[in-house]
Amino acid sequence: DTAVSQTPKYLVTQMGNDKSIKCEQNLGHDTMYWYKQDSKKFLKIMFSYNNKELIINETVPNRFSPKSPDKAHLNLHINSLELGDSAVYFCASTAASWIDMNTEAFFGQGTRLTVV
Amino acid sequence: DAKTTQPPSMDCAEGRAANLPCNHSTISGNEYVYWYRQIHSQGPQYIIHGLKNNETNEMASLIITEDRKSSTLILPHATLRDTAVYYCIPSGGTSYGKLTFGQGTILTVHP
Repeated sequence: DTAVSQTPKYLVTQMGNDKSIKCEQNLGHDTMYWYKQDSKKFLKIMFSYNNKELIINETVPNRFSPKSPDKAHLNLHINSLELGDSAVYFCASTAASWIDMNTEAFFGQGTRLTVV
Repeated sequence: DAKTTQPPSMDCAEGRAANLPCNHSTISGNEYVYWYRQIHSQGPQYIIHGLKNNETNEMASLIITEDRKSSTLILPHATLRDTAVYYCIPSGGTSYGKLTFGQGTILTVHP
């Protein structure tokens, strides 16, 4: 069983399109995240949700809109895609809560987005 | 967020111990030291974490200095599959598990 799964694994699309990436975790975790890894391999957090509520928003353009329909899912919708959005996007989850922040993160295998 | 300093790259012979250092002199009192690695094109993988005591699990050992300003990750018997980028990340407190990745150390294990 894959703990954190993302779909699709690869996504090639044209500038200006709108696309979504889906993430699901079967670990029963309360907190989920989206990270972006750019062409220089630098990993940076974008968003975090705890129990379906947004708790971290790292100054990401409004074109990026995360949605968490339930604790096990965190999707990322991107409007009006730009060339600079090309990157690998990783979903992650942890059992972190306000009671205990110190838990390990489990990452998905990534979605490689290429905007042409 | 605490800043970290790691050597950009290290080499290790297969079967030998790999010792990866990290400086985190600005770590907060309630932050743990986490180590993750990223094998080429895969998602980051958790290795180990600790607060102030040394820790050991099936993957590695973590040695934290008494002043908590630096730590060393030890892979006791490196294999070719341990070739990866290794990240040292202070995290915890009120960060809700947020991980701030630095440049990491590219560890190359040679036959």
